[in-house]
Amino acid sequence: GAGVSQSPRYKVAKRGQDVALRCDPISGHVSLFWYQQALGQGPEFLTYFQNEAQLDKSGLPSDRFFAERPEGSVSTLKIQRTQQEDSAVYLCASSLAAYSGNTIYFGEGSWLTVV
Amino acid sequence: AQTVTQSQPEMSVQEAETVTLSCTYDTSESNYYLFWYKQPPSRQMILVIRQEAYKQQNATENRFSVNFQKAAKSFSLKISDSQLGDTAMYFCAFMNEKLTFGTGTRLTIIP
Repeated sequence: GAGVSQSPRYKVAKRGQDVALRCDPISGHVSLFWYQQALGQGPEFLTYFQNEAQLDKSGLPSDRFFAERPEGSVSTLKIQRTQQEDSAVYLCASSLAAYSGNTIYFGEGSWLTVV
Repeated sequence: AQTVTQSQPEMSVQEAETVTLSCTYDTSESNYYLFWYKQPPSRQMILVIRQEAYKQQNATENRFSVNFQKAAKSFSLKISDSQLGDTAMYFCAFMNEKLTFGTGTRLTIIP
């Protein structure tokens, strides 16, 4: 497709389960971002990749969160031992390049509910 | 660290009227970009308008325009001739190295 694709769109996990969220950026986009958006809040930065290099992971809330982009295209955000406070929409975004003001395109998000 | 403040949690306006959403930000950088994003209930972020800080001219996209005051660190969005489809959350965002969002304004257009 032409846009940023995320899967699954909806995920219900039992507390303590591990989850993996996938992001397919727009073809050719170098930069990839993950954001977490809790209900009623603005998106909060989690991590950023330039190609396969994870240049900034300062927003990851704990060591239970891990992101990778091994071949510089598809990215996976993994959350281990999920907790209720992890319930949120996880937004993936991509752009041609960061630091240059290129438009950042967002996917529709993965809605995670931890019960 | 950059911060973005949207002081209006909710706003409503009659269809066809004009509405202005406010946004202020704090940064020590001189070169950056500012954006307004629209987020409907589907949660997909849709770019409304962008402004380059080094450009003094205010950006305009059809019914959407901004009032960019660099010295005051203010970046408001004006929506003219509002339409029912404009109902959504609106987020102001600052970009230097990464995109930092405000808390959003929920805009409702009343028929």
